[in-house]
Formats: sequence, structure tokens, C-alpha cells
Amino acid sequence: GQQVMQIPQYQHVQEGEDFTTYCNSSTTLSNIQWYKQRPGGHPVFLIQLVKSGEVKKQKRLTFQFGEAKKNSSLHITATQTTDVGTYFCAGSYGNKLVFGAGTILRVKS
Amino acid sequence: GAVVSQHPSRVICKSGTSVKIECRSLDFQATTMFWYRQFPKKSLMLMATSNEGSKATYEQGVEKDKFLINHASLTLSTLTVTSAHPEDSSFYICSARGRGETQYFGPGTRLLVL
Repeated sequence: GQQVMQIPQYQHVQEGEDFTTYCNSSTTLSNIQWYKQRPGGHPVFLIQLVKSGEVKKQKRLTFQFGEAKKNSSLHITATQTTDVGTYFCAGSYGNKLVFGAGTILRVKS
Repeated sequence: GAVVSQHPSRVICKSGTSVKIECRSLDFQATTMFWYRQFPKKSLMLMATSNEGSKATYEQGVEKDKFLINHASLTLSTLTVTSAHPEDSSFYICSARGRGETQYFGPGTRLLVL
């Protein structure tokens, strides 16, 4: 079945450092979505990427979709303590989303 | 943004009882609703996809008779965990999708079976 691989599993950074999480699919995606889940909370939609090579920014967050529409990344510049949580990518295969394993981000102040 | 509610938020039940979880889209019509299960520190695992008025499509390995899904209207889907056992304890999350491709997630239901 479809799988979305996400790395790293954990990332501990010092406040102010950058953070990146990567996702990779073995098959072409129609789109990829990114979610953030705070501890004890539920996933919250961040963004959707649809076009090949697309790059979108939300303040300190930069999202990229690969040219082949098989990989994606989320980069956070100058992390803050409010960035803590688990970041999931989710690949869209037709009607359903397949979630990556998530990257847990911890920020030390 | 679109709002999805789930009820109850937490439930503790005895082994052998059935538990019903409701998922509602509050300000949009959800043509499709999804049910996920999440274990601690793990990712979301899709259990089933339901379209209003039709039978749910279950993912491989998910027991249909164990997890009953009903999508009676464009704003309500229910998941019933029948004859719950301790191994069914988990975080169950629904999501709803309208005309676009974005899924909006409910706040989740934490189920503990004793």
C-alpha cells in the first residue's frame, strides 16, 4: 500500500536554531498536506502543496514540494518555544490521506 | 476556518460494553468523513472512509463488525466501538472534508477500556 516516510523521528533544537523535517513517498502524490499537533491536542492543518516544485511560506515556516511530487519538506527558521509539537506530512492518494510517522520537535530555551 | 466537533472528548468504559463517538461538521457540509486511530507518540492510522448515505470503506486490517460507522447526514458521522476491550483503548480522531481536499480534524476522543 501507499506509504509516506518521514524523518527525523525526533529533533531537539536550541531556541533560535533552524529545524527541517522531510517526507518521501514511493509513488507520485496528487498533493501533500502538513499538520501540526501539540501535545494532548489534535492535528491542525497548516498548508497544502499541489504543484510540482511549489514553495510556500508562512512567516518562519517554508514548505516545499518536490519536482516529481514525491517528496516534501517543512523548514522552520529561528525556532521558538511555541513551535513545539509533532509535525506530520500527509500524502494525498486519491480520496484518502496517508500520514507520515511525524517529527517531534522540542525547543530548549 | 471549518469547525469539526467530536463527542465525547473522553470516555472510560468497562470491557464488553459498546461506545459511540460522534463527529459533526458545524459550519459546512461534509461529503466525506474519515476516522483515524492514534496510539501514543504514533502517527494517525486511517481506519475507514465514509460518504454520506453509503457504506463505509474500511482499511485493511480494520474489523467492520468491531468498528461500526454510520454517516447518516452531511454533518454527522458516528463510530461505535462494539464490545470494547482494553486493546481498543486509543485516541480516535475524525476528520471531515467538504468540496475541497482539505480535511478538518475534530478534537479527538480518548477511549480507555478497563
